Amino acid sequence: DAGVTQSPTHLIKTRGQQVTLRCSPKSGHDTVSWYQQALGQGPQFIFQYYEEEERQRGNFPDRFSGHQFPNYSSELNVNALLLGDSALYLCASSAGTGRGLAGGTDTQYFGPGTRLTVL
Amino acid sequence: AQSVAQPEDQVNVAEGNPLTVKCTYSVSGNPYLFWYVQYPNRGLQFLLKYITGDNLVKGSYGFEAEFNKSQTSFHLKKPSALVSDSALYFCAVRARWGGYNKLIFGAGTRLAVHP
Repeated sequence: DAGVTQSPTHLIKTRGQQVTLRCSPKSGHDTVSWYQQALGQGPQFIFQYYEEEERQRGNFPDRFSGHQFPNYSSELNVNALLLGDSALYLCASSAGTGRGLAGGTDTQYFGPGTRLTVL
Repeated sequence: AQSVAQPEDQVNVAEGNPLTVKCTYSVSGNPYLFWYVQYPNRGLQFLLKYITGDNLVKGSYGFEAEFNKSQTSFHLKKPSALVSDSALYFCAVRARWGGYNKLIFGAGTRLAVHP
């Protein structure tokens, strides 16, 4: 059973460019969350997708957008890249978290991440 | 505001000795607490979680964590450290916001186990 997969592994972009990162969730999972981990810091929540809709968003500008497909895979898009966008981008999947069920306890499982470097 | 604090940037321990990585939290309502481990250039691996019930939670690779509600702590422990346990450890709390869930992470603690 494959876990969470992400592509590409590494990316190098220049300021002002746009980037798309991809995530395939663990089998049986329907909710995808994206996190940004800057060097030396803990992951910061970007947004969460469930049923092809953005259900929750962290404190990130509109340059960060996403999409979820019918097969539950997801993309993270970042426009007008800044130097400060350089980070490890982590995708996490879970089952049913997006339903927001009271008392839901679904664990988020993380992929290996995409290392984005903006020059 | 909901938050997680890991007061130690680094913990050093000799192989075979017990280890503790500290975590305190602040959250409204019942906390759902997690520990993850990150090896160099890798994603986060789930170790264990506390949802309810027994305050001592057992997880992967011999790790366990003790939930203390009065001290709002969730310290990670292992009776006998291995060199291979050397990694970056993150404590996280699941926050409820707008009816959906996100994880709030601490800044991480680097564990160094010396032979």
